[in-house]
Amino acid sequence: KNEVEQSPQNLTAQEGEFITINCSYSVGISALHWLQQHPGGGIVSLFMLSSGKKKHGRLIATINIQEKHSSLHITASHPRDSAVYICAVKTSGSRLTFGEGTQLTVNP
Amino acid sequence: DTEVTQTPKHLVMGMTNKKSLKCEQHMGHRAMYWYKQKAKKPPELMFVYSYEKLSINESVPSRFSPECPNSSLLNLHLHALQPEDSALYLCASSQVVVGYGTGELFFGEGSRLTVL
Repeated sequence: KNEVEQSPQNLTAQEGEFITINCSYSVGISALHWLQQHPGGGIVSLFMLSSGKKKHGRLIATINIQEKHSSLHITASHPRDSAVYICAVKTSGSRLTFGEGTQLTVNP
Repeated sequence: DTEVTQTPKHLVMGMTNKKSLKCEQHMGHRAMYWYKQKAKKPPELMFVYSYEKLSINESVPSRFSPECPNSSLLNLHLHALQPEDSALYLCASSQVVVGYGTGELFFGEGSRLTVL
C-alpha cells in the first residue's frame, strides 16, 4: 500500500462544476503539498498545508491531521484547470512522498 | 522573481555523449533538488543540495553527477546514459529552515531528456 493515496485517479467534469480531489496518507507528516502539473511538464505548487484550510482564488485546500486526510476543491471549474493534481507529504528531512496524481479533465 | 529556470527544455543525446542540465533560481533559496519523472508517474527524488552541499543522494547511478557551483545554480552532468534514463528532469528549490522544515517548493518547467 502506498503511503500516499489519491482519489480519484481520473476525473472528468463539465465546466462550472465543483470538483474535489482527495488525498489520504498513512505516515506522520510535517506538511502536505498540493501541486499542479500541466501537459509539457512544469509543476506549480498550489498549497502547502500543515493544518486547517487555505484558499487561493477558486482553489481551496483542507487538511485533517487526526484523520490523515486532505482535500483539494476547485469551484466553478474551467477547462484551463485541466491538469494532473499531485498530493505530496513531507515526512522527515527534505524528502517528499508523492501520490500517483489525479488527472482532471474539464470539458467546455 | 519566483522562478526556477531550467535549460535546455529538450535534450536528445546518444549513449556516449556528455551533456549537462542547468537550473537557476534567484529567490535566495538554499535547498535545491533534482527529480526524475517518467510518463504518468510522480516525480522521484534524485539529489538534494542544502547550502551548496549534497545532503541526499537517492542511490542514483554515477552516470548522473550533480554540481552546485553557488547558491543560485544547480547542474546535472550526464555521461554514458542509457535509453531508460529518458525522462523529464525537474529542478526545484525551497527555503531551508532550521531543523527539518522546508517551505514551499518551487519547480522549474523541466528538461525533457531523450537518450538514443
